[in-house]
Amino acid sequence: DGGITQSPKYLFRKEGQNVTLSCEQNLNHDAMYWYRQDPGQGLRLIYYSQIVNDFQKGDIAEGYSVSREKKESFPLTVTSAQKNPTAFYLCASSMGAGAYQETQYFGPGTRLLVL
Amino acid sequence: QQPVQSPQAVILREGEDAVINCSSSKALYSVHWYRQKHGEAPIFLMILLKGGEQKGHDKISASFNEKKQQSSLYLTASQLSYSGTYFCGTEYNNNDMRFGAGTRLTVKP
Repeated sequence: DGGITQSPKYLFRKEGQNVTLSCEQNLNHDAMYWYRQDPGQGLRLIYYSQIVNDFQKGDIAEGYSVSREKKESFPLTVTSAQKNPTAFYLCASSMGAGAYQETQYFGPGTRLLVL
Repeated sequence: QQPVQSPQAVILREGEDAVINCSSSKALYSVHWYRQKHGEAPIFLMILLKGGEQKGHDKISASFNEKKQQSSLYLTASQLSYSGTYFCGTEYNNNDMRFGAGTRLTVKP
C-alpha cells in the first residue's frame, strides 16, 4: 500500500529543545513538502524539496531545518529558535521535479505541543 | 503569493448549493482544490489547468478563469459529508504551490 507516513502523531517539546518530525513516502515521488497549520488557518509552506540533496525555503522557514538524503525521507527539525512551534505539521509529496499540475498527497500529520 | 479565499465560512442545509472563490494577484499555472476534515490530512478534489477549464465529479465542480486569475468551487445539492474546510492551492511555477486560508463549510440536516 503506497502512501505517506508521519511520526509521531503527537510530539511534546520542552523549552530550548530541538525536535525532529519524520516523513516517509513509498510513492516514488521526487518532490516533498512541509506545511504548518495553525488552528482555523490555512497551510503555510515551510520547506520543499524537488530532488534528493536539494531543498528550498518556503514562506516560514525561520526556526526550522530539513534534510533530503534519501528520496523517501524528508525529516523536519523544529529548532529552539522557533519561538511558537505549537501547530499541526503536514508533510506532502508529489510526483514532482519538472512537472506542473501535480497532485500533492498528504500524510496524516503531527501535532506538536510545547510543554 | 498566498491566494485569497472567500467566504471564510458558510453554513448550509442539506440540499443547498454553495460557491467558494479563490483569487490570486499573480498569474497562475494551475489551481488545486482540497477538502480537510478536522484533525485529518487534506484530501485532493481536483486540479484545473492553465488555459481555463471546468471540471467536476458528482455534485462538486470547479472553474478556472485564467484572465481573472480566479477559480471557483461549486457544491450543489450539498450532503452532510461535504462538511469540512476547503482549500485552494495555486501553482505559480514549478512545484511551488501556496494554499489559501480555507473556507469552512458546515452542512446541517
